[in-house]
Amino acid sequence: GEKVEQHESTLSVREGDSAVINCTYTDTASSYFPWYKQEAGKSLHFVIDIRSNVDRKQSQRLIVLLDKKAKRFSLHITATQPEDSAIYFCAAGNYAQGLTFGLGTRVSVFP
Amino acid sequence: NSKVIQTPRYLVKGQGQKAKMRCIPEKGHPVVFWYQQNKNNEFKFLINFQNQEVLQQIDMTEKRFSAECPSNSPCSLEIQSSEAGDSALYLCASSGDWGSQNTLYFGAGTRLSVL
Repeated sequence: GEKVEQHESTLSVREGDSAVINCTYTDTASSYFPWYKQEAGKSLHFVIDIRSNVDRKQSQRLIVLLDKKAKRFSLHITATQPEDSAIYFCAAGNYAQGLTFGLGTRVSVFP
Repeated sequence: NSKVIQTPRYLVKGQGQKAKMRCIPEKGHPVVFWYQQNKNNEFKFLINFQNQEVLQQIDMTEKRFSAECPSNSPCSLEIQSSEAGDSALYLCASSGDWGSQNTLYFGAGTRLSVL
């Protein structure tokens, strides 16, 4: 089955700088790559996704990149703000296999 | 904000007891997933439904776990005989037609503690 590795377990960034979280996956059949944010004691909140028919997507301060050859995708949080502090999870999958999640990256934004 | 409603938020059971949790998917969403998130942030897929039909489920689910999504009633996940290792956050998520890879929206979860 699919395996998703989330490379950074923690990330500390100065407010205003960019944060980058990298994930790799194993199954070439995966075609859908969402990102979720989880704040302490709360559930997963959808932030952005990318599908395999594109290699870049942007939503406000969030950019996701997908490199299908390398089986790698990344989340870029630009101009970070204190409210960006949370655990971010990447996931990969498709209709047949559902979603497989990474172990999360704890992002801390400091002043 | 997600409109997936999960109850109860917290559930405390003794070993061997039944544990039942419920989920109301977002209106109009025919697809429901159940995941287990443990304290190490590992997600384990349990089962998913399209309307009332099971699409996939893992072996663990087939033995002690049961789930259903009846029409016009909340979906439910029940553990027949709870074990300490079942202590986790149980997350329900719903989506539009999953074949079109619509976004999965998660509820707040039910945190199960098995003493």
